[in-house]
Amino acid sequence: TQLLEQSPQFLSIQEGENLTVYCNSSSVFSSLQWYRQEPGEGPVLLVTVVTGGEVKKLKRLTFQFGDARKDSSLHITAAQPGDTGLYLCAGVSSSASKIIFGSGTRLSIRP
Amino acid sequence: KAGVTQTPRYLIKTRGQQVTLSCSPISGHRSVSWYQQTPGQGLQFLFEYFSETQRNKGNFPGRFSGRQFSNSRSEMNVSTLELGDSALYLCASSLASGTARMGNTIYFGEGSWLTVV
Repeated sequence: TQLLEQSPQFLSIQEGENLTVYCNSSSVFSSLQWYRQEPGEGPVLLVTVVTGGEVKKLKRLTFQFGDARKDSSLHITAAQPGDTGLYLCAGVSSSASKIIFGSGTRLSIRP
Repeated sequence: KAGVTQTPRYLIKTRGQQVTLSCSPISGHRSVSWYQQTPGQGLQFLFEYFSETQRNKGNFPGRFSGRQFSNSRSEMNVSTLELGDSALYLCASSLASGTARMGNTIYFGEGSWLTVV
């Protein structure tokens, strides 16, 4: 069974601080996605990383896919209250027929 | 362009009852997938439908079923409800089949909150 573990589960930091969220698995994925889910809404896709070692930037968010395509990280620089939400990583199987979501990291940014 | 629409948004059912949830995908999208989200288990894939055919299924008991109509709208049904079925049920749509195929972005609805008492 493929599992994706995210850490930390909860994170509360002050506005302006930096943070990193991790997504780890013992399985290899063909690609990995990051979503953000706000209260009362469904998850929204932020990025997809495909190549081992790939780094993608989305404004203050930096996403990295591990060299072995088993893990990923999300780094937020100068966090803002608007970054608050549940961050989910999702691993895609090589056949692209299954998507497995991580347990999620609930992020709270204090003004 | 309207997003994915799910109805009802909130509902309460009693153990043993059955429930049907509805999902209208984004116009032009032919793939609809369903997910269950709970605090304990997180977000788990239920099944995917494309062109009225179930293309993939997660590890859920047979009490969970779904179907897709010719207009791509989809319904999921849960029979003999258990307390553990209380969850947020999310529907997502995409243009092509292969829920997570590269370039085939899935768009989630706001979900249906089911409480079983």
